[in-house]
Amino acid sequence: AQSVTQLDSQVPVFEEAPVELRCNYSSSVSVYLFWYVQYPNQGLQLLLKYLSGSTLVKGINGFEAEFNKSQTSFHLRKPSVHISDTAEYFCAVGRARGGADGLTFGKGTHLIIQP
Amino acid sequence: DTAVSQTPKYLVTQMGNDKSIKCEQNLGHDTMYWYKQDSKKFLKIMFSYNNKELIINETVPNRFSPKSPDKAHLNLHINSLELGDSAVYFCASSQNSYEQYFGPGTRLTVT
Repeated sequence: AQSVTQLDSQVPVFEEAPVELRCNYSSSVSVYLFWYVQYPNQGLQLLLKYLSGSTLVKGINGFEAEFNKSQTSFHLRKPSVHISDTAEYFCAVGRARGGADGLTFGKGTHLIIQP
Repeated sequence: DTAVSQTPKYLVTQMGNDKSIKCEQNLGHDTMYWYKQDSKKFLKIMFSYNNKELIINETVPNRFSPKSPDKAHLNLHINSLELGDSAVYFCASSQNSYEQYFGPGTRLTVT
């Protein structure tokens, strides 16, 4: 079984400032890692994913994340945020080559961009 | 050309009723899922299904049942609806357990 911990339920940031959203996971097997974004009253959109290879992954909208196996972390970063980045961000893990397994999600971090 | 679609978008019904939510994907994926998002926005897997296996989260009441008429569809049937079933339900699909693509969600309100 896997678990995901998003350490911050809410992160307020000023516009054009950098941001880091933290994610730690626990698993006894190899996993794939994902970050999804949910804008108000919408579905989930994939921001980026780590399957294998380079530990620094780049996603859409200027976001990037770094996989750290020793610290079991997958923190999400953006160097300069915009008002439009205000949303709920979810970290998720899935069993690598897991067949029909679903994803295990963290509780989400609400990113609030202040003008 | 929506990748994963769900109907209806909103569903308001009374306790005790039976309802269904439909999901269709046009991505050619081999696996489909249902998730429940509660009022605190916590997402939890309910079912995953491909042509080989159905995996049911053990915490899901047996009033909930997935039905797949074909590879592109996975519908969710709910019997004897309860107040606690009120939530947003998301359908998703994936290929080979890689990233999942989510539908827009169905907001179910049980009164």
